[in-house]
Amino acid sequence: AQTVTQSQPEMSVQEAETVTLSCTYDTSESDYYLFWYKQPPSRQMILVIRQEAYKQQNATENRFSVNFQKAAKSFSLKISDSQLGDAAMYFCAYRSELRAFEGGSEKLVFGKGTKLTVNP
Amino acid sequence: NAGVMQNPRHLVRRRGQEARLRCSPMKGHSHVYWYRQLPEEGLKFMVYLQKENIIDESGMPKERFSAEFPKEGPSILRIQQVVRGDSAAYFCASSPNQEWATEAFFGQGTRLTVV
Repeated sequence: AQTVTQSQPEMSVQEAETVTLSCTYDTSESDYYLFWYKQPPSRQMILVIRQEAYKQQNATENRFSVNFQKAAKSFSLKISDSQLGDAAMYFCAYRSELRAFEGGSEKLVFGKGTKLTVNP
Repeated sequence: NAGVMQNPRHLVRRRGQEARLRCSPMKGHSHVYWYRQLPEEGLKFMVYLQKENIIDESGMPKERFSAEFPKEGPSILRIQQVVRGDSAAYFCASSPNQEWATEAFFGQGTRLTVV
């Protein structure tokens, strides 16, 4: 079974600075997807960024980028130029590439989350 | 295109009562997933359904919990004889039935409080 570990329960960053959130995972599969979701106080789960394991290039979405190290099974999220609106819980998640009809699983496996505080 | 709609947003039940949580997927989405989030925890998968079929219920408790996604209408997560430990936020997500689809879109969740 796959597991996702976020070792930082809480992080803080000054507005306009850069912060990196850590995530490691364990799997025996070679093809999969990794995600970072943001959950603000409204509880809405918002997809921040997605990485396909077969892609060597790290995904980037505006101020958000990842450092994907497949061999080390590491998937960290970097937030540049932090803004007050970035304050939220951040969850790392894993999903198998195989669909259910192929014998895989379409469920997302989440880490326990990192609470990010942005200080003005 | 409306997002995933869950209702109610908040639900209070006394111990022993039944809780029914509803989820209407995004238009054109035929796959529905239910997750549970306990306080200070990440989301835990419960069940994956397609229209009229349960595909994966490996995360569902064996007793008191059931889910359905009928041909017409929303998906329903039903919890019978609720206990205090069922208090949590329950999230629904949906995705389209296309091989390239990798993203699931989440609703805002239903917070269930058992008193």
